[in-house]
Amino acid sequence: DTGVSQDPRHKITKRGQNVTFRCDPISEHNRLYWYRQTLGQGPEFLTYFQNEAQLEKSRLLSDRFSAERPKGSFSTLEIQRTEQGDSAMYLCASSFIAGGSTDTQYFGPGTRLTVL
Amino acid sequence: AQSVTQLGSHVSVSEGALVLLRCNYSSSVPPYLFWYVQYPNQGLQLLLKYTTGATLVKGINGFEAEFKKSETSFHLTKPSAHMSDAAEYFCAVSSTGGGNKLTFGTGTQLKVEL
Repeated sequence: DTGVSQDPRHKITKRGQNVTFRCDPISEHNRLYWYRQTLGQGPEFLTYFQNEAQLEKSRLLSDRFSAERPKGSFSTLEIQRTEQGDSAMYLCASSFIAGGSTDTQYFGPGTRLTVL
Repeated sequence: AQSVTQLGSHVSVSEGALVLLRCNYSSSVPPYLFWYVQYPNQGLQLLLKYTTGATLVKGINGFEAEFKKSETSFHLTKPSAHMSDAAEYFCAVSSTGGGNKLTFGTGTQLKVEL
């Protein structure tokens, strides 16, 4: 079990550019979550997948943001036409859930995005 | 809707002293409660969680928390602070009705002094 991995760890881009982040969950975890954390704040939920289905998106996820999880394994989060307000740490978490129980989410190290 | 309030954005204790980090939650359904720790430039590590059953929950590194429904609280404690405990701590709430997504507090930065 190698844990949740995220790539890249850091990304610096210019305003208006597109960026894509990748998250590899713990093997056999069927749920994958994306959160955003700005300086001095707790993480805020963006979206989550169960297997390949995207089940919920936060109002924070504007139409410039898109997330995918093809084949129910790794996930990508793309931000188009980046803005300075997009600068944040983007965290991915994965979990295994069965039935109506709760799950324990395991977080990756995050991708820190800086938009100049 | 769910929410979490963490009282005290910064807490400072002496090494060996009691650690108490406060968390109050709001939830219209039975909550699941979590404490996570975050070291600089790293992701979040789970310390402990409460789902059902025993209200006193023990976690890693000597931390524990008690779920008090009447007070809507889930405070985190550790009898004796160690220098390595210095980090940011986040309390979070979720419920199965909310897709299990976590709602976090704003965090408490713990400083441990010699």
